[in-house]
Amino acid sequence: QQQVKQSPQSLIVQKGGISIINCAYENTAFDYFPWYQQFPGKGPALLIAIRPDVSEKKEGRFTISFNKSAKQFSLHIMDSQPGDSATYFCAASMGGGGADGLTFGKGTHLIIQP
Amino acid sequence: DAGVTQSPTHLIKTRGQQVTLRCSPKSGHDTVSWYQQALGQGPQFIFQYYEEEERQRGNFPDRFSGHQFPNYSSELNVNALLLGDSALYLCASSSKYRNRELFFGEGSRLTVL
Repeated sequence: QQQVKQSPQSLIVQKGGISIINCAYENTAFDYFPWYQQFPGKGPALLIAIRPDVSEKKEGRFTISFNKSAKQFSLHIMDSQPGDSATYFCAASMGGGGADGLTFGKGTHLIIQP
Repeated sequence: DAGVTQSPTHLIKTRGQQVTLRCSPKSGHDTVSWYQQALGQGPQFIFQYYEEEERQRGNFPDRFSGHQFPNYSSELNVNALLLGDSALYLCASSSKYRNRELFFGEGSRLTVL
């Protein structure tokens, strides 16, 4: 089965610090790599996404770094704030003729301490 | 602009029963996907509907079925419920023009006793 492996399972970062979450994938046919943020009782919300022809993408305080040869990608949250405390999921999908189903990692529970 | 809406928000069923969950996509979206999220896990893809047809399916048994209506809303049906079907069921919508960008609803929490 196609897998996306995410680490760490949980992470505690001080306010103002950098939060880093890593993911690794196996299927080289994956061509779309989004990150989702989920608060308790809510559905996942798309944060930022990258395609394999780009090594880095930045949106505000959120940056995705992508290493195609290592089949790894990571999310960096700069200047982490208590409001960033949530569960983060990496995901991957293949293209083809349409939007294929996303394969999610198991999630990282992030706590930002004030 | 309403986002993705799902109903019911919570429900309790007994093993062997059947359940129907409903989803209205975000305005302007024509594609609906369903995901199952067990407690403490990432969502797992069940299937996707476009133009009232199942376009893609994940690794779920035939007990899981769905439907999409002409107004793009969708239903997820699960027959012969098992204890392991207890989960948060998430609906996500997207448009054919930006079909990778999924917008999720808040989900329907199903408990099977």
